[in-house]
Amino acid sequence: ETGVTQTPRHLVMGMTNKKSLKCEQHLGHNAMYWYKQSAKKPLELMFVYNFKEQTENNSVPSRFSPECPNSSHLFLHLHTLQPEDSALYLCASSQDRTVYGYTFGSGTRLTVV
Amino acid sequence: AQKVTQAQTEISVVEKEDVTLDCVYETRDTTYYLFWYKQPPSGELVFLIRRNSFDEQNEISGRYSWNFQKSTSSFNFTITASQVVDSAVYFCALSEVNYGGATNKLIFGTGTLLAVQP
Repeated sequence: ETGVTQTPRHLVMGMTNKKSLKCEQHLGHNAMYWYKQSAKKPLELMFVYNFKEQTENNSVPSRFSPECPNSSHLFLHLHTLQPEDSALYLCASSQDRTVYGYTFGSGTRLTVV
Repeated sequence: AQKVTQAQTEISVVEKEDVTLDCVYETRDTTYYLFWYKQPPSGELVFLIRRNSFDEQNEISGRYSWNFQKSTSSFNFTITASQVVDSAVYFCALSEVNYGGATNKLIFGTGTLLAVQP
């Protein structure tokens, strides 16, 4: 248990489905992040939230829709995904100053069929 | 611009060998932080170490040691007497600190896959 919990651990979805990934932390951190990790590629930062406000969107397609209702919870809503969206989606949290680094969740392994 | 380079994509060693993972970074800032994370097959990235740019003292933690050299912009990671449980992907990361507050993200390298054979 890392302090950041992601559910589900594995998800298989069709291209027409709608699903959501959930991330939860009770570390008292102010910032939360979504990363995408594809095979043979570097970690790609998708979204950053600081005190519930989105501070960064790295040109992510609109079929990915983040939601941060409070500093402890972060969602990633998925709809009409493509097979190339299959990846490990990692959530992380940090104090609002990244001098302390991130605490990561275990990730959701997403497969789009 | 910030950048982290891990030139070694994959390394394979036999148990008990020493292995060094290289990390080279680029930044214009004088104040920054460097990190190493380990990603075992289970997926989560586990924090290993943080080093600030003003502290070039090398650090040792058990079988792990880190060599920070600002002159070459490198922050290398050595595992002594490697074990099968060390098999994982290792990421080096950089965070800049801007005056008036830190930036809100880490820049990661592409990772090095370490395979330790029994």
